[in-house]
Amino acid sequence: SYVLTQPPSVSVAPGKTARITCGGYNIGTKSIHWYQQKPGQAPVLLIFYDSDRPSGIPERFSGSNSGNTATLTLSRVEAGDEADYYCQVWDSNSDHYVFGTGTKVTVL
Amino acid sequence: QVQLVESGGGVVQPGRSLRLSCAASGFTFSSHAMHWVRQAPGKGLEWVAVISFDGSNKYYADSVKGRFSISRANSKNTLYVQMNSLRDEDTAVYYCARGQSPAAAGTPPLDYWGQGTLVSVSS
Repeated sequence: SYVLTQPPSVSVAPGKTARITCGGYNIGTKSIHWYQQKPGQAPVLLIFYDSDRPSGIPERFSGSNSGNTATLTLSRVEAGDEADYYCQVWDSNSDHYVFGTGTKVTVL
Repeated sequence: QVQLVESGGGVVQPGRSLRLSCAASGFTFSSHAMHWVRQAPGKGLEWVAVISFDGSNKYYADSVKGRFSISRANSKNTLYVQMNSLRDEDTAVYYCARGQSPAAAGTPPLDYWGQGTLVSVSS
């Protein structure tokens, strides 16, 4: 089955930029979505179709996808960005939805 | 506004059954695929199942196939999952989520999520 690999954790200082990777075989040929989950809360759609933002999501959040790696970029990081972040794709070979392993972002 | 409210969670013994419900409001329920996603304590998200807008297509994660059954009642704006032969490893918060499109299979994201209901499988 298709596997999406993320780094377990990323630390970043306020005001700086954090990049979260999501690795998968030929992931650049798939549409990837990103979700943010704050402690004790349900996930929220953050980025869809690689780089689109739902209404209400700040422009500080952006995404890209190419080759074997998709990337979520958090610019001008704020304390409120501390959360777990998950990538997700649809695997047509198995008819399964697949989530990445998740990345915990800590704001120093 | 879109609202998804899960119910039916609780403590259940291994091998027993449980049915979860998800009441939807604020959108045309019958126009969207619907998902169940779970999260074991301290772990990541695991997709469980999806059903198309009209209930004609369903897909399941390998870990629950043959034990769980997803269904929907469009007249009641409600999504269900029947969970049979429960195991310790089914312990998790179960979220229902809306698919962005009517089809069960495909690339659209899960654009709205409920707050989840906790299922604890323990003897």
